[in-house]
Parts: sequence; structure tokens; C-alpha cells
Amino acid sequence: EAQVTQNPRYLITVTGKKLTVTCSQNMNHEYMSWYRQDPGLGLRQIYYSMNVEVTDKGDVPEGYKVSRKEKRNFPLILESPSPNQTSLYFCASSFRGRSYDQYFGPGTRLLVL
Amino acid sequence: GNSVTQMEGPVTLSEEAFLTINCTYTATGYPSLFWYVQYPGEGLQLLLKATKADDKGSNKGFEATYRKETTSFHLEKGSVQVSDSAVYFCALINQAGTALIFGKGTTLSVSS
Repeated sequence: EAQVTQNPRYLITVTGKKLTVTCSQNMNHEYMSWYRQDPGLGLRQIYYSMNVEVTDKGDVPEGYKVSRKEKRNFPLILESPSPNQTSLYFCASSFRGRSYDQYFGPGTRLLVL
Repeated sequence: GNSVTQMEGPVTLSEEAFLTINCTYTATGYPSLFWYVQYPGEGLQLLLKATKADDKGSNKGFEATYRKETTSFHLEKGSVQVSDSAVYFCALINQAGTALIFGKGTTLSVSS
């Protein structure tokens, strides 16, 4: 089954404790991206990757890091989480190009205390 | 810059009512346009899309037409069901093809 998986689905942590949210896709997509969803703000892009070893900032990259060492994986790293990073995070992937459908993971709900 | 504006709701309807969710956009050129749906506790699923002016996207009884004259992509369904209760997002893809730009979402609640 074609899918985007994320882990963990739910996470409660404390300020400053490094964490990683994993994202994996099995569709051989070149493009992958991370979004965060906040009430009243909709979804905003954090980082994206057009291919292996190629990453770039989205609209709200501060406080986040990413890496793309393999085509299927695109982890999101919070080196020192803060309460304003409490949010619902979605990973997405697609083939490159403006007309291709983006497939979304199920989301990771993060609470930073 | 690119932006998407949609009615925020909530929209509350009875089963079998007609649904319209308005969406307008601002963009450079003619971007592909999308409607995504988010059911409670789930991720986003692509509902329909249109890639050029006058295209009509359709799926599961939902329709939306790409209107470049009015820069709009309104979502419609002739007869909603309780199972359509969800949050609906209008989106466009930027010219570089690197990001979806989303509206803030419209919550639809359908009662029997």
C-alpha cells in the first residue's frame, strides 16, 4: 500500500530535550516536505527536499533541522524544543512538478512543556 | 505573493443539503489548485484538483471549477452526508513547485 508514515504519532516532551520525528514514504517520490498545522493559521511549510541531499527552508524553519540521506526518509529534528513548537506536524511527499498530488502522513501531535 | 482565502466556518448543514465552500486565491501565473479534506484525527487527503483554467475537478460527488477571471475555486456538493463532516482546505502550489499554500480550512458539520 502506498503511504507516508510518521513516528511517533503523539509526543509529550519538555523544553530543551532534543527530539526527532521520522517520516518515510514507499512511493519513490523525489519531493518531501514538512508542514505544521496550528489553529487559525492553517498549514505552513517548515522545510522541503527536492531530492536526496537537497533541502531548503520553507516559511517557518526557525528551530527545526532536516536531513535527506535516503530517498524514502525525511526526519524532522528539533534540537532544543520550545513551547511555541507545540503543534500538529505533517510530512508530505510527491513526484516533482506542480501538477503531482502530494500525499500526507497521518500527523504527529507534539506538546512541549 | 501567493495566498489562499477561504470561508472559515464552521459550516453546519443538514443531511442532503447543498454545500458551497468559497475559495479565492492570489498567485503569480496560473497555479494548480487543490482541495484537501481532513477527517477527525487523520491526515490530509487529496479530494480533487484542477491544473488549468476552466478545468473542473471532481471526486466523491464534490466538484470545483478553476475560474481565472474571478481567481476562485469554490467547492460544491449537491447533497452532503454525515460522513462528509471534516475540515476542508483549499490550496495552490507555488510556481517553483516546492510548496502548497493552504487556506486556513473550513470545518463542515453535517447532521442527520
